[in-house]
Amino acid sequence: DAGVIQSPRHEVTEMGQEVTLRCKPISGHDYLFWYRQTMMRGLELLIYFNNNVPIDDSGMPEDRFSAKMPNASFSTLKIQPSEPRDSAVYFCASTSRGVGHQPQHFGDGTRLSIL
Amino acid sequence: GEDVEQSLFLSVREGDSSVINCTYTDSSSTYLYWYKQEPGAGLQLLTYIFSNMDMKQDQRLTVLLNKKDKHLSLRIADTQTGDSAIYFCADNQKLVFGTGTRLLVSP
Repeated sequence: DAGVIQSPRHEVTEMGQEVTLRCKPISGHDYLFWYRQTMMRGLELLIYFNNNVPIDDSGMPEDRFSAKMPNASFSTLKIQPSEPRDSAVYFCASTSRGVGHQPQHFGDGTRLSIL
Repeated sequence: GEDVEQSLFLSVREGDSSVINCTYTDSSSTYLYWYKQEPGAGLQLLTYIFSNMDMKQDQRLTVLLNKKDKHLSLRIADTQTGDSAIYFCADNQKLVFGTGTRLLVSP
């Protein structure tokens, strides 16, 4: 079975540019999560969706960050404009049957470097 | 919100047992999970324990849950170099992950 697929795996771009990260969840999963991992702050939940609807975006750092889920098989996380402090590994995860009953399945992440 | 705390680093020799500890603050947690993250990869589920259990064993892995002290531990028996990774405890219901413990296994 295909797992959670993220693209790109690596992204290096200059400050001020728009960055778009992509995620394809596991088929049949109705929850999708975006996380950010840094050495300083560990793993942070940015936003999660249920049935394509954003449920909690309180972890989104600021207005420069936005996330969409236009259908059950695709989500994007966009940063515009990007800043060096956005450099991190961004993970997408998906699960089913409610957040308390099933583990989350993680993608391999996108390593983002903003110069 | 809930806090989930772990020690940051553990170093053991191959063949020894490793014990990774985790404390949490929310007593209403239903499931507590252990994930493993290898370099360059995402988190992968290792095991989990339901809150009405005190212990769960799965091959080399033993999870102990002390609800009174809100303490969770993961014991890896006969630790191998391939076990070197970062280990996260997580309260899946509250969507809170610990800081992660980096386990280094030396030959």
